[in-house]
Amino acid sequence: QVQLQESGPGLVNPSQTLSLTCTVSGGSISRGGYYWSWLRQHPGKGLEWIGYVYSRGNTYYNPSLKSRLTISLDTSKNQFSLRLSSVTAADTALYFCAREGLGDGSVGSFHIWGQGTMVTVSS
Amino acid sequence: DIQMTQSPSTLSASVGDRVTITCRASQSIGSWLAWYQQKPGKAPKLLIYKASILESGVPSRFSGSGSGTEFTLTISSLQPDDFATYYCQQNNSFRTFGQGTKVEIK
Repeated sequence: QVQLQESGPGLVNPSQTLSLTCTVSGGSISRGGYYWSWLRQHPGKGLEWIGYVYSRGNTYYNPSLKSRLTISLDTSKNQFSLRLSSVTAADTALYFCAREGLGDGSVGSFHIWGQGTMVTVSS
Repeated sequence: DIQMTQSPSTLSASVGDRVTITCRASQSIGSWLAWYQQKPGKAPKLLIYKASILESGVPSRFSGSGSGTEFTLTISSLQPDDFATYYCQQNNSFRTFGQGTKVEIK
């Protein structure tokens, strides 16, 4: 079965760029027409959708983050990545990658999740 | 942006209770609503999608209903494993979540 695993630095300096990778195992990231998303959860708070990359490479971002955000596919490594620039303490959060469903009304709901990785923005 | 509002924010209940959580959208989202369960330090788990479709492997005591702007998640008989935080999420326009409902032991 498909599994997702986030990786990246746990500590990022303010004003720098946060970079995370989600490695997909058990299936090809470029097949099947799936949407691959990043989400985050601030400490003790609710969930925020960051954006997605489609299996063909198209992207769609949360408007509140769009100016600082890049999500991309690396089909050779079966990974997708998040880059968030000019980070502040407000970007400190638990970051998740996830895959949406396919067909039968399940597009747009997150069926498979990574375990999450905590990123702290601090000097 | 579509805002999602859950009620209550916290719910105290006992094992065996019937529990209902409400989610309201700021505008009509059809049936484009999902429900998740999250336990501390863990990723959310999908329970229901398209308002009422039970995700594979999820116990049948969970059910979802509603359309338009008002939706409910019902747990017919609360089990010890069900004490957690529950989120609704709309996917009619972008993806946005409700603020969560914590189900705690009474």
